[in-house]
Amino acid sequence: KQEVTQIPAALSVPEGENLVLNCSFTDSAIYNLQWFRQDPGKGLTSLLLIQSSQREQTSGRLNASLDKSSGRSTLYIAASQPGDSATYLCAVLRDSGAGSYQLTFGKGTKLSVIP
Amino acid sequence: DTGVSQNPRHKITKRGQNVTFRCDPISEHNRLYWYRQTLGQGPEFLTYFQNEAQLEKSRLLSDRFSAERPKGSFSTLEIQRTEQGDSAMYLCASSVTSGRGQYFGPGTRLTVL
Repeated sequence: KQEVTQIPAALSVPEGENLVLNCSFTDSAIYNLQWFRQDPGKGLTSLLLIQSSQREQTSGRLNASLDKSSGRSTLYIAASQPGDSATYLCAVLRDSGAGSYQLTFGKGTKLSVIP
Repeated sequence: DTGVSQNPRHKITKRGQNVTFRCDPISEHNRLYWYRQTLGQGPEFLTYFQNEAQLEKSRLLSDRFSAERPKGSFSTLEIQRTEQGDSAMYLCASSVTSGRGQYFGPGTRLTVL
């Protein structure tokens, strides 16, 4: 059974700092990995999607890396802003060979960026 | 390109009542998913549709839960005889294919009193 762990559970940083969020998964047979942002009481916003054959993806101040063989991904946020405050969730899609569809999520990292 | 929409956004009900939620996926997406999220946890998979066919159900989807996607467009999730343990955020997502990511709606927050 796939398990996804995110460390740390919570993180507080001063505005302008660069930061790294970590995600690990137990089964390396994944199809892709997605990073999401969730604001309190809201749905999930997709930030970055990395296919299993890719090493990294970038969008603006966000960079996500994937090391499939070691079961790890990181989300790097440059020059953090108060508006980045949210919970960040990592999710993996299993490569079942017969059609993959079920995302397995970590519990998230709650980020607070202090002005 | 409108995103995934869900209605209602909030539902408060008394234990034992039935509730129904609706999800409208992104128009060209033929795959639709339901997830449930409780406080402090990541979303957990409930069920998956490809067009109108329900292809997978999680063990979390007890007999009191039923989901439909009658014409391969919108979907409904019904919970019968609600229990306090059903209180959660119910999230709907859609995708074109597995490889292009899942895109989520704003969720329906259910509170069972």
